[in-house]
Amino acid sequence: QVQLVESGGGVVQPGGSLRLSCAASGFTFSSYGMHWVRQAPGKGLEWVAFIRYDGSNKYYADSVKGRFTISRDNSKNTLYLQMNSLRAEDTAVYYCAKERRRGVGAFDYWGQGTLVTVSS
Amino acid sequence: AIQLTQSPSSLSASVGDRVTITCRASQGISSALAWYQQKPGKAPKLLIYDASSLESGVPSRFSGSGSGTDFTLTISSLQPEDFATYYCQQFNSYPPITFGQGTRLEIK
Repeated sequence: QVQLVESGGGVVQPGGSLRLSCAASGFTFSSYGMHWVRQAPGKGLEWVAFIRYDGSNKYYADSVKGRFTISRDNSKNTLYLQMNSLRAEDTAVYYCAKERRRGVGAFDYWGQGTLVTVSS
Repeated sequence: AIQLTQSPSSLSASVGDRVTITCRASQGISSALAWYQQKPGKAPKLLIYDASSLESGVPSRFSGSGSGTDFTLTISSLQPEDFATYYCQQFNSYPPITFGQGTRLEIK
């Protein structure tokens, strides 16, 4: 069965950095694009970033461009999100999600989420 | 960026009711739309992809329709486990991929 398990969340001061990980299992990780999506407390879903199955293309939301970097290690079946210059408005639960089919589309599996709190 | 507007933002209904949620895109997105269900403290769950295709394992009381700019999610007969928040998502034009603001479905 497909499993996505995020880790790395926590409390960080404004301007600080954090790296999130998403460990994938139950499917051929190297064959699918992956996304990060976040949800601020009590708010809706916000797409953050996408990486193609082979890492060749990456896309970002304007709100994180230049501060966040998505990457993957297909040998370790792991997705990453490096978050720098964190702001209070980055406080959210961060989910990793798998694309249902190659080429960007619906997200058929999601992790349980990891909470990032940016606060002094 | 393509904006998605869901209506209503919240809805009260009873078990057994037929419920329809709409999602309007700010420009045409063909059939590149999905619907998700999210319960408190849980990750979203995919219900419908490509506007009208039912994801495997999702009950047949859920259905989706539409193309272009106007889409609907219909629940034919509400069950107790269906009370949740529903989101539409477009992936026709990216970045960014965008979500609607959500529709909270509550028990009447």
